[in-house]
Amino acid sequence: DIQMTQSPSTLSASVGDRVTITCRASQSIRNWLAWYQQKPGQAPKLLIYEASSLENGVPSRFSGSGSGTEFTLTISSLQPDDFATYYCQQYNSYGSGTFGQGTKVEI
Amino acid sequence: EVQLLESGGGLVQPGGSLRLSCVASGFTFNNYAINWVRQAPGKGLEWVSAIGGSGSGSYYTDSVKGRFTISRDNSKNTVFLQMNSLRAEDTAVYYCVKVYSGSYIINALDYWGQGTLVTVSS
Repeated sequence: DIQMTQSPSTLSASVGDRVTITCRASQSIRNWLAWYQQKPGQAPKLLIYEASSLENGVPSRFSGSGSGTEFTLTISSLQPDDFATYYCQQYNSYGSGTFGQGTKVEI
Repeated sequence: EVQLLESGGGLVQPGGSLRLSCVASGFTFNNYAINWVRQAPGKGLEWVSAIGGSGSGSYYTDSVKGRFTISRDNSKNTVFLQMNSLRAEDTAVYYCVKVYSGSYIINALDYWGQGTLVTVSS
């Protein structure tokens, strides 16, 4: 099975900061990677699919990059609404859609 | 507007069974796979199962194989997750989720239900 490892687990940042979260796959997943944002008490929200494609309605300060086994989610200028937990998910494996363990972005 | 509404969660004893339902609206239901994702209290997301739009293909995470069965009734725009031999570690909020593209059963997930809580405890 493909394992997904996110880093860091927690990230302390301030409004206006540039923030980068990394996700590593245990084997190549080409570009079959998505990023989600989850706030407390809410369902996750799709931000990025196919590693770098921005979902409709998601602010352009969010961007994704990478392919193979190394991926990043970047928030160019952190806004108050962005404090949340972020998850990556691989969907290259035909039999499963593994999530990373999550990265909490806090003040 | 795409909507997914889960039901069927609740408190069940270890070894018991529950059947979750997910009623969908706002899209051509039989064109899209549906996945189930769960989240234990205070923990991260865990992919659980997926079924193709026609119902012909299905997948499960290893920890639920042989215990959970996913199915769908396209005439009622409904997906089911039959959960048997439940364990304490199955306690979680279960989300019903639509895939972004109809091309693949396991895919990016664009619309999520509000979730239904399953608690396995004696």
